[in-house]
Amino acid sequence: GNSVTQMEGPVTLSEEAFLTINCTYTATGYPSLFWYVQYPGEGLQLLLKATKADDKGSNKGFEATYRKETTSFHLEKGSVQVSDSAVYFCALSDRGNTGKLIFGQGTTLQVKP
Amino acid sequence: EAGVTQSPTHLIKTRGQQATLRCSPISGHTSVYWYQQALGLGLQFLLWYDEGEERNRGNFPPRFSGRQFPNYSSELNVNALELEDSALYLCASSFLGQGVTEAFFGQGTRLTVV
Repeated sequence: GNSVTQMEGPVTLSEEAFLTINCTYTATGYPSLFWYVQYPGEGLQLLLKATKADDKGSNKGFEATYRKETTSFHLEKGSVQVSDSAVYFCALSDRGNTGKLIFGQGTTLQVKP
Repeated sequence: EAGVTQSPTHLIKTRGQQATLRCSPISGHTSVYWYQQALGLGLQFLLWYDEGEERNRGNFPPRFSGRQFPNYSSELNVNALELEDSALYLCASSFLGQGVTEAFFGQGTRLTVV
């Protein structure tokens, strides 16, 4: 079945460091791919998405490129801030309207001043 | 504009009891989705309601059930609670036809079964 694998955390970085959180997926067909963020005590927020191969999603300085050849959707940010500390989830949705998102396990990011 | 609201924020129940969790979608949204975020298991799809009907169901036993009311709010009921039901339950809502990929999530209900 479809699945998403994320790098295990926690990831601890100093402010202004470069961030990469790896995400790979297994899916039939061509799913849409997403990154969600969960700040402490809050629900999930959609960070960015890509709906087809080679698309680049971007938001708030974060970027991720849909790589069909490597089945990957790695999240990157050039310079993290303390306020980026959160749990990040990679997810995919099947084609068709099923109401179902398949999430990775989540990666905790802690940014220190 | 109010977001997706869930109640209660925290719920403590004893094994074998029933739990009822509530979700109010964003105004105008007709679809409601339920997800379970259990420690070690990640986020898993539970249920999808749209226009009062159950549209899809995840791989959960029948003691997980729910309904959607005419005002599009929703309840999730968990019967015969087991310890492993302890989790954060997230609700999301979207406009009709937009799908879960355009959904907004609430802050969740933390269910603890003791």
